[in-house]
Amino acid sequence: DGGITQSPKYLFRKEGQNVTLSCEQNLNHDAMYWYRQDPGQGLRLIYYSQIVNDFQKGDIAEGYSVSREKKESFPLTVTSAQKNPTAFYLCASTKARNYEQYFGPGTRLTVT
Amino acid sequence: KNQVEQSPQSLIILEGKNCTLQCNYTVSPFSNLRWYKQDTGRGPVSLTIMTFSENTKSNGRYTATLDADTKQSSLHITASQLSDSASYICVVSGGSNFGNEKLTFGTGTRLTIIP
Repeated sequence: DGGITQSPKYLFRKEGQNVTLSCEQNLNHDAMYWYRQDPGQGLRLIYYSQIVNDFQKGDIAEGYSVSREKKESFPLTVTSAQKNPTAFYLCASTKARNYEQYFGPGTRLTVT
Repeated sequence: KNQVEQSPQSLIILEGKNCTLQCNYTVSPFSNLRWYKQDTGRGPVSLTIMTFSENTKSNGRYTATLDADTKQSSLHITASQLSDSASYICVVSGGSNFGNEKLTFGTGTRLTIIP
């Protein structure tokens, strides 16, 4: 999985609770991304960060928040405002524009 | 609207046979096209990246082609193995040369290799 770790692999939460997904990379990449994958759909971008202390909303940022305090780390918080949080979440990083993105192993979040 | 369409949605072939997966896109401006392999429950792994000027690229038994004029790409798998069973995702990179690179993901082709 290219030097990117995500934890935990499986996560279960009750509706109404916030939950934070971890993403760490040791590739010295500047840019990091969070995607959501649902059955039958392509990956959708939640948030991305090109440098430390800066991040931008992707296509489906509502109900999510992120931070980028360190180059290696880009945690994603799924808040209670996210209406349909159950999904497979993928973190990725890239060296620079137009270079391949390396993906982590993913976290499967189930909210009941 | 930028779109990436893949066909077929799913494919089952016998071990040792060849197969070709298709990708059509309507992404503008175009920067590059990527193929990823995703095993069930895992993150995608890059197979190839092709820019506008490249029309074929190989990675072992995987060969990708790109026709930028017709906006079509294919991924050919030779002498399939059981380990090739996975989803194959076509991704097109677009957007301007400044700011964030915009990726559009296809929904993937689910390939199953049977012994």
